[in-house]
Amino acid sequence: DQQVKQNSPSLSVQEGRISILNCDYTNSMFDYFLWYKKYPAEGPTFLISISSIKDKNEDGRFTVFLNKSAKHLSLHIVPSQPGDSAVYFCAASDYSGNTPLVFGKGTRLSVIA
Amino acid sequence: DTGVSQNPRHKITKRGQNVTFRCDPISEHNRLYWYRQTLGQGPEFLTYFQNEAQLEKSRLLSDRFSAERPKGSFSTLEIQRTEQGDSAMYLCASSTGFATDTQYFGPGTRLTVL
Repeated sequence: DQQVKQNSPSLSVQEGRISILNCDYTNSMFDYFLWYKKYPAEGPTFLISISSIKDKNEDGRFTVFLNKSAKHLSLHIVPSQPGDSAVYFCAASDYSGNTPLVFGKGTRLSVIA
Repeated sequence: DTGVSQNPRHKITKRGQNVTFRCDPISEHNRLYWYRQTLGQGPEFLTYFQNEAQLEKSRLLSDRFSAERPKGSFSTLEIQRTEQGDSAMYLCASSTGFATDTQYFGPGTRLTVL
């Protein structure tokens, strides 16, 4: 039973446009959510996180939105750049990150120049 | 570079052999996690430590797997009698263990069991 779901395996976006990556979760105990970016043959790189007490967190071109009632979060990248092409993982934990992370399967983003 | 480091980066072994991986966390990070990632999947939790204490083990961690963090600094993950199904990327992450914590990952060790 997958507790964190990323239903879109891939996404293609033109350079300069907005990329929106989605994530759904089922466990109501999750209270901390993170997005990681991963290039081939490398470990995941932390991008941005959000606590359940917030509904939005922004860091430069990256914004994460959290809808607790829908158990849904999304990552917005604007403007998208070719260097953003990677696999993006959504992850969740309870107790504010102090427990093992549960990951989705990832979404491969391709930004086309 | 003060990030998480892992060695070796790649390991090819024959079925039935034992392998050991090492992880050096970010300095002063109290928590150290091991994950495994296979093709098309996200990382899956294996085990984690708070300082030298192993706090939790996943059901994925069969009795052929053992992890240690003897002095609360680096950690080792050993797989005995490797099987082809053990082929995966083994990832280590560390964190402070404080509130609203973020786990930072190393580059991983790619294991191929022939």
